[in-house]
Amino acid sequence: SQTIHQWPATLVQPVGSPLSLECTVEGTSNPNLYWYRQAAGRGLQLLFYSVGIGQISSEVPQNLSASRPQDRQFILSSKKLLLSDSGFYLCAWSVRRQGYGYTFGSGTRLTVV
Amino acid sequence: DAKTTQPPSMDCAEGRAANLPCNHSTISGNEYVYWYRQIHSQGPQYIIHGLKNNETNEMASLIITEDRKSSTLILPHATLRDTAVYYCAPRNSGNTPLVFGKGTRLSVIA
Repeated sequence: SQTIHQWPATLVQPVGSPLSLECTVEGTSNPNLYWYRQAAGRGLQLLFYSVGIGQISSEVPQNLSASRPQDRQFILSSKKLLLSDSGFYLCAWSVRRQGYGYTFGSGTRLTVV
Repeated sequence: DAKTTQPPSMDCAEGRAANLPCNHSTISGNEYVYWYRQIHSQGPQYIIHGLKNNETNEMASLIITEDRKSSTLILPHATLRDTAVYYCAPRNSGNTPLVFGKGTRLSVIA
């Protein structure tokens, strides 16, 4: 069966520090991968998605970046965090066919102080 | 540029049916409508999806209007555990990402 792992669950980082959040999927190959962010009390905002290794599409310009070094690994990074980067970060995967839903990870709650 | 419109909040008595509407008037012919829910501090959970026919699974029913401009998610017997934010989102291909709106916060009341 397919599983998605996302870590860490919580993170407190100072302003200006770097960030690296990792997401891995098991039990499938060639998944589509996604990073979403949810600010406090807000909806889900799509940040990045990837349909293959090295292929990243960015939806929102910001100081975050994403990389997909391996088929089932998706990394969200920042060189210098801002206070506004605080939020709940969610990774998700899906198959590349219409008619199938997403599976989300358990999320990382990031607090920038 | 919102693709969907949902009421911000709804209440439902425990044991009664919860009917959650979604307006997607700009949906195109090949876009499915997906529904997810998010319980506080958890990742969203897939519920159901449909193209033009009504759909039912163990969690819910989905009613799509004939013109496909709106849909309604029905939880037939709401429980306290159904309290969550419910999102509808259209999607036109397997490689197109889901874009979520603000959703409806459903509160099931004992």
